[in-house]
Amino acid sequence: GAGVSQTPSNKVTEKGKYVELRCDPISGHTALYWYRQSLGQGPEFLIYFQGTGAADDSGLPNDRFFAVRPEGSVSTLKIQRTERGDSAVYLCASSGWGTSGRGNTGELFFGEGSRLTVL
Amino acid sequence: DQQVKQNSPSLSVQEGRISILNCDYTNSMFDYFLWYKKYPAEGPTFLISISSIKDKNEDGRFTVFLNKSAKHLSLHIVPSQPGDSAVYFCAATRVRGSRLTFGEGTQLTVNP
Repeated sequence: GAGVSQTPSNKVTEKGKYVELRCDPISGHTALYWYRQSLGQGPEFLIYFQGTGAADDSGLPNDRFFAVRPEGSVSTLKIQRTERGDSAVYLCASSGWGTSGRGNTGELFFGEGSRLTVL
Repeated sequence: DQQVKQNSPSLSVQEGRISILNCDYTNSMFDYFLWYKKYPAEGPTFLISISSIKDKNEDGRFTVFLNKSAKHLSLHIVPSQPGDSAVYFCAATRVRGSRLTFGEGTQLTVNP
Protein backbone atom coordinates (compact mmCIF):
# COMPACT_ATOMS: atom_id res chain seq x y z
CA GLY A 1 0.00 0.00 0.00
CA ALA A 2 0.95 3.64 -0.23
CA GLY A 3 0.82 4.46 3.47
CA VAL A 4 2.48 3.27 6.67
CA SER A 5 1.16 -0.15 7.63
CA GLN A 6 1.13 -1.46 11.20
CA THR A 7 0.29 -4.94 12.42
CA PRO A 8 -1.46 -6.14 14.45
CA SER A 9 -4.07 -3.40 14.75
CA ASN A 10 -5.08 -4.81 18.12
CA LYS A 11 -3.19 -7.01 20.53
CA VAL A 12 -4.42 -8.29 23.88
CA THR A 13 -1.88 -10.07 26.03
CA GLU A 14 -1.32 -11.11 29.60
CA LYS A 15 1.07 -9.49 32.01
CA GLY A 16 4.54 -10.94 31.67
CA LYS A 17 4.20 -12.01 28.04
CA TYR A 18 6.39 -10.99 25.09
CA VAL A 19 4.93 -8.84 22.29
CA GLU A 20 6.12 -7.81 18.83
CA LEU A 21 4.61 -4.94 16.85
CA ARG A 22 5.45 -4.51 13.20
CA CYS A 23 5.73 -1.40 11.04
CA ASP A 24 6.00 -1.27 7.26
CA PRO A 25 6.96 2.29 6.25
CA ILE A 26 6.27 4.14 3.04
CA SER A 27 8.53 2.80 0.32
CA GLY A 28 11.71 4.81 0.00
CA HIS A 29 11.41 6.52 3.38
CA THR A 30 14.70 6.20 5.21
CA ALA A 31 13.55 7.62 8.54
CA LEU A 32 11.24 5.58 10.80
CA TYR A 33 9.82 6.57 14.18
CA TRP A 34 8.00 4.81 17.01
CA TYR A 35 5.69 6.72 19.34
CA ARG A 36 3.36 5.61 22.12
CA GLN A 37 0.05 7.30 22.87
CA SER A 38 -1.90 6.83 26.07
CA LEU A 39 -5.51 7.90 26.45
CA GLY A 40 -5.89 11.67 26.59
CA GLN A 41 -2.22 12.30 25.87
CA GLY A 42 -0.20 13.28 22.86
CA PRO A 43 2.15 10.83 21.17
CA GLU A 44 5.28 10.16 23.20
CA PHE A 45 8.56 9.58 21.36
CA LEU A 46 10.22 6.17 21.76
CA ILE A 47 12.87 5.67 19.09
CA TYR A 48 13.91 6.93 15.66
CA PHE A 49 15.82 5.09 12.90
CA GLN A 50 17.70 6.60 10.02
CA GLY A 51 18.29 3.62 7.75
CA THR A 52 19.18 0.53 9.77
CA GLY A 53 20.59 2.30 12.78
CA ALA A 54 18.84 3.86 15.74
CA ALA A 55 19.61 7.58 15.53
CA ASP A 56 17.89 8.31 18.84
CA ASP A 57 16.58 5.71 21.30
CA SER A 58 16.37 8.01 24.29
CA GLY A 59 12.59 7.66 24.52
CA LEU A 60 12.56 3.94 25.24
CA PRO A 61 11.22 3.76 28.83
CA ASN A 62 13.38 0.84 30.01
CA ASP A 63 15.31 -2.20 28.82
CA ARG A 64 12.13 -4.21 28.30
CA PHE A 65 11.61 -2.23 25.11
CA PHE A 66 13.72 -2.85 22.01
CA ALA A 67 13.31 -2.04 18.33
CA VAL A 68 15.07 -3.24 15.20
CA ARG A 69 15.14 -2.33 11.54
CA PRO A 70 17.61 -4.83 10.09
CA GLU A 71 17.23 -4.01 6.39
CA GLY A 72 16.33 -0.35 6.66
CA SER A 73 12.68 -0.89 5.81
CA VAL A 74 10.34 -2.87 8.09
CA SER A 75 10.77 -2.30 11.81
CA THR A 76 9.71 -4.38 14.80
CA LEU A 77 9.10 -3.01 18.28
CA LYS A 78 9.64 -5.71 20.89
CA ILE A 79 8.34 -5.55 24.45
CA GLN A 80 9.45 -8.15 26.99
CA ARG A 81 7.70 -9.06 30.25
CA THR A 82 4.78 -6.76 29.46
CA GLU A 83 3.18 -4.77 32.27
CA ARG A 84 -0.29 -3.27 32.52
CA GLY A 85 1.25 0.19 32.20
CA ASP A 86 2.46 -0.72 28.72
CA SER A 87 -1.14 -0.59 27.48
CA ALA A 88 -1.32 2.14 24.84
CA VAL A 89 -1.56 2.75 21.12
CA TYR A 90 1.85 2.29 19.53
CA LEU A 91 2.25 4.55 16.50
CA CYS A 92 4.80 4.18 13.76
CA ALA A 93 5.70 6.95 11.33
CA SER A 94 8.07 7.32 8.42
CA SER A 95 9.60 10.30 6.71
CA GLY A 96 11.52 11.07 3.60
CA TRP A 97 13.86 13.24 5.61
CA GLY A 98 17.45 12.43 4.71
CA THR A 99 16.63 11.49 1.12
CA SER A 100 16.97 13.74 -1.90
CA GLY A 101 14.13 14.90 -4.08
CA ARG A 102 10.45 14.73 -3.22
CA GLY A 103 9.46 13.86 0.29
CA ASN A 104 12.34 15.74 1.83
CA THR A 105 10.13 17.86 4.06
CA GLY A 106 10.62 16.30 7.46
CA GLU A 107 6.90 15.65 7.63
CA LEU A 108 6.03 12.42 9.44
CA PHE A 109 3.45 10.08 7.92
CA PHE A 110 1.79 8.00 10.63
CA GLY A 111 0.21 4.57 10.50
CA GLU A 112 -3.09 3.82 12.22
CA GLY A 113 -1.33 2.36 15.23
CA SER A 114 -1.30 -0.93 17.12
CA ARG A 115 -3.49 -0.92 20.22
CA LEU A 116 -1.84 -2.98 22.94
CA THR A 117 -3.83 -4.09 25.97
CA VAL A 118 -2.02 -5.86 28.78
CA LEU A 119 -4.38 -7.66 31.16
CA ASP B 1 8.46 18.06 32.20
CA GLN B 2 5.84 18.93 29.59
CA GLN B 3 7.81 20.95 27.05
CA VAL B 4 4.86 21.47 24.73
CA LYS B 5 1.51 22.35 26.26
CA GLN B 6 -1.95 22.75 24.85
CA ASN B 7 -3.93 24.17 27.72
CA SER B 8 -7.38 23.81 26.18
CA PRO B 9 -8.49 20.19 26.03
CA SER B 10 -11.51 21.12 23.94
CA LEU B 11 -12.89 23.89 21.72
CA SER B 12 -16.33 24.23 20.16
CA VAL B 13 -17.11 26.67 17.31
CA GLN B 14 -19.88 27.28 14.81
CA GLU B 15 -19.47 26.35 11.18
CA GLY B 16 -18.11 29.28 9.17
CA ARG B 17 -16.46 30.96 12.14
CA ILE B 18 -12.78 31.05 13.04
CA SER B 19 -11.18 28.32 15.16
CA ILE B 20 -8.07 29.30 17.11
CA LEU B 21 -6.01 26.57 18.73
CA ASN B 22 -3.15 27.54 21.00
CA CYS B 23 0.13 25.94 21.99
CA ASP B 24 2.93 26.99 24.34
CA TYR B 25 6.42 25.59 24.61
CA THR B 26 9.24 25.93 27.10
CA ASN B 27 12.32 24.70 25.23
CA SER B 28 13.98 27.63 23.46
CA MET B 29 16.00 25.15 21.38
CA PHE B 30 12.91 24.12 19.41
CA ASP B 31 13.42 25.24 15.83
CA TYR B 32 10.53 23.78 13.86
CA PHE B 33 6.87 23.46 14.74
CA LEU B 34 4.07 21.38 13.28
CA TRP B 35 0.35 20.82 13.66
CA TYR B 36 -1.22 17.40 13.24
CA LYS B 37 -4.87 16.45 13.04
CA LYS B 38 -6.20 13.13 14.30
CA TYR B 39 -9.52 11.42 13.69
CA PRO B 40 -10.63 8.51 15.92
CA ALA B 41 -8.95 5.16 15.11
CA GLU B 42 -6.58 6.83 12.66
CA GLY B 43 -2.99 7.98 12.93
CA PRO B 44 -2.18 11.70 13.13
CA THR B 45 -2.12 13.52 9.79
CA PHE B 46 0.24 16.41 9.06
CA LEU B 47 -1.51 19.73 8.63
CA ILE B 48 0.94 22.62 8.50
CA SER B 49 4.38 23.59 9.80
CA ILE B 50 6.49 26.64 10.49
CA SER B 51 10.18 27.26 10.90
CA SER B 52 11.45 29.44 13.73
CA ILE B 53 12.75 31.97 11.22
CA LYS B 54 9.17 32.81 10.22
CA ASP B 55 6.25 34.19 12.16
CA LYS B 56 3.45 33.08 9.86
CA ASN B 57 2.72 30.32 7.41
CA GLU B 58 -0.52 29.98 5.49
CA ASP B 59 -2.01 27.07 3.57
CA GLY B 60 -5.56 27.53 2.37
CA ARG B 61 -7.90 27.78 5.34
CA PHE B 62 -5.07 27.06 7.78
CA THR B 63 -2.61 29.61 9.15
CA VAL B 64 -0.01 29.04 11.83
CA PHE B 65 1.43 31.96 13.77
CA LEU B 66 4.63 31.78 15.79
CA ASN B 67 5.62 34.21 18.55
CA LYS B 68 9.14 33.18 19.54
CA SER B 69 9.54 35.73 22.31
CA ALA B 70 6.40 34.41 23.99
CA LYS B 71 7.15 30.79 23.05
CA HIS B 72 3.65 30.54 21.69
CA LEU B 73 2.09 29.34 18.49
CA SER B 74 -1.44 29.20 17.26
CA LEU B 75 -3.39 27.55 14.47
CA HIS B 76 -6.21 29.49 12.82
CA ILE B 77 -8.83 27.74 10.73
CA VAL B 78 -11.06 30.02 8.66
CA PRO B 79 -13.78 29.25 7.84
CA SER B 80 -14.29 26.25 10.10
CA GLN B 81 -16.12 23.27 8.64
CA PRO B 82 -17.76 20.28 10.39
CA GLY B 83 -15.16 18.00 8.77
CA ASP B 84 -12.49 19.86 10.75
CA SER B 85 -13.81 18.25 13.94
CA ALA B 86 -10.85 16.23 15.23
CA VAL B 87 -8.09 16.28 17.84
CA TYR B 88 -5.33 18.75 16.94
CA PHE B 89 -1.79 18.20 18.20
CA CYS B 90 0.94 20.78 18.31
CA ALA B 91 4.48 19.38 17.96
CA ALA B 92 7.99 20.80 18.07
CA THR B 93 11.51 19.65 17.28
CA ARG B 94 15.05 20.94 17.74
CA VAL B 95 16.24 19.50 14.46
CA ARG B 96 13.99 19.00 11.49
CA GLY B 97 13.56 15.30 10.79
CA SER B 98 14.39 14.21 14.33
CA ARG B 99 12.14 13.45 17.28
CA LEU B 100 8.95 15.43 17.73
CA THR B 101 7.63 16.50 21.12
CA PHE B 102 3.84 16.63 21.10
CA GLY B 103 1.33 18.54 23.18
CA GLU B 104 -1.65 16.83 24.81
CA GLY B 105 -4.04 17.75 22.04
CA THR B 106 -7.18 19.88 21.69
CA GLN B 107 -10.48 18.34 20.64
CA LEU B 108 -12.10 20.71 18.11
CA THR B 109 -15.82 20.38 17.46
CA VAL B 110 -17.32 22.41 14.62
CA ASN B 111 -21.09 22.57 14.90
CA PRO B 112 -23.21 22.83 11.74
